[in-house]
Amino acid sequence: AQKITQTQPGMFVQEKEAVTLDCTYDTSDQSYGLFWYKQPSSGEMIFLIYQGSYDEQNATEGRYSLNFQKARKSANLVISASQLGDSAMYFCAMREDFGNEKLTFGTGTRLTIIP
Amino acid sequence: GAVVSQHPSWVICKSGTSVKIECRSLDFQATTMFWYRQFPKQSLMLMATSNEGSKATYEQGVEKDKFLINHASLTLSTLTVTSAHPEDSSFYICSARGGQTYNSPLHFGNGTRLTVT
Repeated sequence: AQKITQTQPGMFVQEKEAVTLDCTYDTSDQSYGLFWYKQPSSGEMIFLIYQGSYDEQNATEGRYSLNFQKARKSANLVISASQLGDSAMYFCAMREDFGNEKLTFGTGTRLTIIP
Repeated sequence: GAVVSQHPSWVICKSGTSVKIECRSLDFQATTMFWYRQFPKQSLMLMATSNEGSKATYEQGVEKDKFLINHASLTLSTLTVTSAHPEDSSFYICSARGGQTYNSPLHFGNGTRLTVT
């Protein structure tokens, strides 16, 4: 079974609109962390936001927020007021067990912002 | 913030030759680094975990004799693709944890695009 599932291969969004990128995960661990990374065409992986399994508040970082629904095992990324520079691949990733540093990535969503 | 430097950014080599890729943590010490491979339009797949001063831990299906990993210092890990073949052409990217707290993210290098002709 896939540990991280991103069901949207691609999305097109009008500039300045908000966009939600879906991510569901599968784990039996009680302690885990969820990450979102952005990968522009240059290839670098840019860390965006983190949500811990025990965090009660949804994480926010500037225009990025994470809609964490633990019971549903979903960790959707919300980008508010999208910009042209937001066009990129977005990957959801999970780290199971805080003693383990390995990340498992989803298949990604290609976001294209339309002017 | 934590920075990971990877070199070279791209390399073209002939089939049968070996290629070395370096990954450095610039402003922090990394006892553990990770090597990922990404094929076009696919996700990142973990190849191996590089441990400073000890042998690397390889993921299932990754040939340790083909992908040699050396982590000789707290700031440098190298991946050597030995006897490269065209099917090894891929984007290789390393990462290291940028802090000691549980929510410290992995910071990635800019990746190396390897093309084997």
